[in-house]
Amino acid sequence: SQTIHQWPATLVQPVGSPLSLECTVEGTSNPNLYWYRQAAGRGLQLLFYSVGIGQISSEVPQNLSASRPQDRQFILSSKKLLLSDSGFYLCAWTPGQGNTEAFFGQGTRLTVV
Amino acid sequence: GENVEQHPSTLSVQEGDSAVIKCTYSDSASNYFPWYKQELGKRPQLIIDIRSNVGEKKDQRIAVTLNKTAKHFSLHITETQPEDSAVYFCAAANPGYSTLTFGKGTMLLVSP
Repeated sequence: SQTIHQWPATLVQPVGSPLSLECTVEGTSNPNLYWYRQAAGRGLQLLFYSVGIGQISSEVPQNLSASRPQDRQFILSSKKLLLSDSGFYLCAWTPGQGNTEAFFGQGTRLTVV
Repeated sequence: GENVEQHPSTLSVQEGDSAVIKCTYSDSASNYFPWYKQELGKRPQLIIDIRSNVGEKKDQRIAVTLNKTAKHFSLHITETQPEDSAVYFCAAANPGYSTLTFGKGTMLLVSP
């Protein structure tokens, strides 16, 4: 069966520090991968998605970046965090298409102080 | 691109009442409409979905209806229970795109 792992679960980082969140999917190949952010516990804002290794589409211009070094690995990064980067970050995958069920990771609660 | 509007943003009901959440979408090519439930601090999880070749789907106390002509779909929860309290998201997708477009969510509060 397929599983998605996302870590860490919680993170407190000072303003200006770097960020790296990692997400991996097991039990499938060539998934579509997504990074979402939730601020204030409400809407799901799509940040990045990837349909293949090295292919990254950005939905929102900001100081975050994403990379997909391997088929089932998706990384969210920042060189310098801002206070406004605080939020709940969710990784998700779909089986190669957008119009199918999305499976979410457990999420990372990021607090920038 | 697709645009999904979801209403209401907050819904309070008494235990045992029914709850209805409504969404509209803009892209007539969209053919997949899932609903997700997110409990506080947890990940969203699919509770029911519908494709454009059917008008209604039921799963115990949960049902979804789809009106393709009007481009809207609704989630119906009957006999609500306190454990139904959560944020519910609708979404839409079409085969031409790689992403789901989510509504902004509805916080459902079920009072005992």
